[in-house]
Amino acid sequence: IAGITQAPTSQILAAGRRMTLRCTQDMRHNAMYWYRQDLGLGLRLIHYSNTAGTTGKGEVPDGYSVSRANTDDFPLTLASAVPSQTSVYFCASSDRGKSGTDTQYFGPGTRLTVL
Amino acid sequence: ELKVEQNPLFLSMQEGKNYTIYCNYSTTSDRLYWYRQDPGKSLESLFVLLSNGAVKQEGRLMASLDTKARLSTLHITAAVHDLSATYFCAVDIWSNYQLIWGAGTKLIIKP
Repeated sequence: IAGITQAPTSQILAAGRRMTLRCTQDMRHNAMYWYRQDLGLGLRLIHYSNTAGTTGKGEVPDGYSVSRANTDDFPLTLASAVPSQTSVYFCASSDRGKSGTDTQYFGPGTRLTVL
Repeated sequence: ELKVEQNPLFLSMQEGKNYTIYCNYSTTSDRLYWYRQDPGKSLESLFVLLSNGAVKQEGRLMASLDTKARLSTLHITAAVHDLSATYFCAVDIWSNYQLIWGAGTKLIIKP
C-alpha cells in the first residue's frame, strides 16, 4: 500500500507559469488537504475537501485552486506562479467523520521554487 | 482568532535529560494531535488525544491533554539522539473541518 503519493518531488518554475501538483491516495479516505510549509510558519492549510465533489478554502487559498473529481485524487493548481509561492507543499488525507478523529496522513511533499 | 502556541520553538538538550514541550490553544476542543517531522521528511502521527485527562505513551514520549486549561504537553524522558526532530501539535476544530497547527518545536538532542 503506497498511502499518499505526490508528484513531482521538486520543481523549479518560472514566475507566471501554470503548475499542477498531483496528489493521490489509496486509503479510500474521504477527506484530503493541501498545506504549505514555510520556515518558522509551520503548516498552513491552503484548501481541503471533505468528500469527492466538494472543496473548501483554508487559511491561505489565494493563488491556488483545487478539484476533487474522485476519492483518490486531489490536484493543486497554481494558475500563475509567483515567488511567494516558493514553499514545500504537503498533501494529506484522513477518514474524518468515519473514525471520530482527524488523524491526517501526509504525503512526501513537493518542494516548489518559483523564480 | 484561533491560535495554537508551542513553546519552546527550539530546544537543544543533552542525551539522558528530561524535558517537556507545551502546546497551548485558544479555543474549545477535546481533540489534539502530536506529529513528528524529521529534517527534509514528511509528518508522522505520534499521538491522538481525545478527551480531558487523556494520556498516551510510546517509548520515551508521553503526551497528555488538559482541555480545561487548553494545554497539552509532550514529555521526553531520558532523551536519546534519535528523538531529534521537529514536533508539532494540532488542535481539531471539528466544526470547521480543520486542524489548527502549532509552529513546531525543533528538538536537537546532543550525544
